[in-house]
Amino acid sequence: EAGVAQSPRYKIIEKRQSVAFWCNPISGHATLYWYQQILGQGPKLLIQFQNNGVVDDSQLPKDRFSAERLKGVDSTLKIQPAKLEDSAVYLCASSPQAFANTGELFFGEGSRLTVL
Amino acid sequence: AQSVTQLGSHVSVSEGALVLLRCNYSSSVPPYLFWYVQYPNQGLQLLLKYTSAATLVKGINGFEAEFKKSETSFHLTKPSAHMSDAAEYFCAVRAGGSNYKLTFGKGTLLTVNP
Repeated sequence: EAGVAQSPRYKIIEKRQSVAFWCNPISGHATLYWYQQILGQGPKLLIQFQNNGVVDDSQLPKDRFSAERLKGVDSTLKIQPAKLEDSAVYLCASSPQAFANTGELFFGEGSRLTVL
Repeated sequence: AQSVTQLGSHVSVSEGALVLLRCNYSSSVPPYLFWYVQYPNQGLQLLLKYTSAATLVKGINGFEAEFKKSETSFHLTKPSAHMSDAAEYFCAVRAGGSNYKLTFGKGTLLTVNP
């Protein structure tokens, strides 16, 4: 079974530029998450999708971050304009409906963003 | 709101020694608790989980954790460390509810010395 795919793995941009990250979850997984992991900290949930609807985006900085999940499958996370403090690893995770009660997540390898 | 505190950002042990990584949680409802491991340049992988069944939970790679409600703890242990255990370990809590949100601790970096 293929895992969660993310791209690009690495991205370097200058502040005020824009960037987009793509995630393809495990086939059939209804729930998709984007986490932000800043160096030295644990992952922080940015947004959670159930199929193509948003369940929780309370910690998403909506003035600069946006995310969508097309047709309930792939998802894109965009940052525009980027700030220095956005330097982090952006982790995508997915979970099947059957695991809804246990909260077990399957993570991709992450996209590392460096903002100069 | 739920939260976790991991005591010690860095733990160093010798190969063959006991591994003990500490996690305390806060939750207003009976929690689900997790330990995830992250190897360098990789995503997180589930080690084990507590979902209100047995309080002693066994996971992959010889790790186990014990849920102690009275101490609000969920410490991770392994009797004998191996070099391949070197990684960062994250404790996470999920409270009851339907949005499946996990709250992670800040992580503990485990170094295993030969």
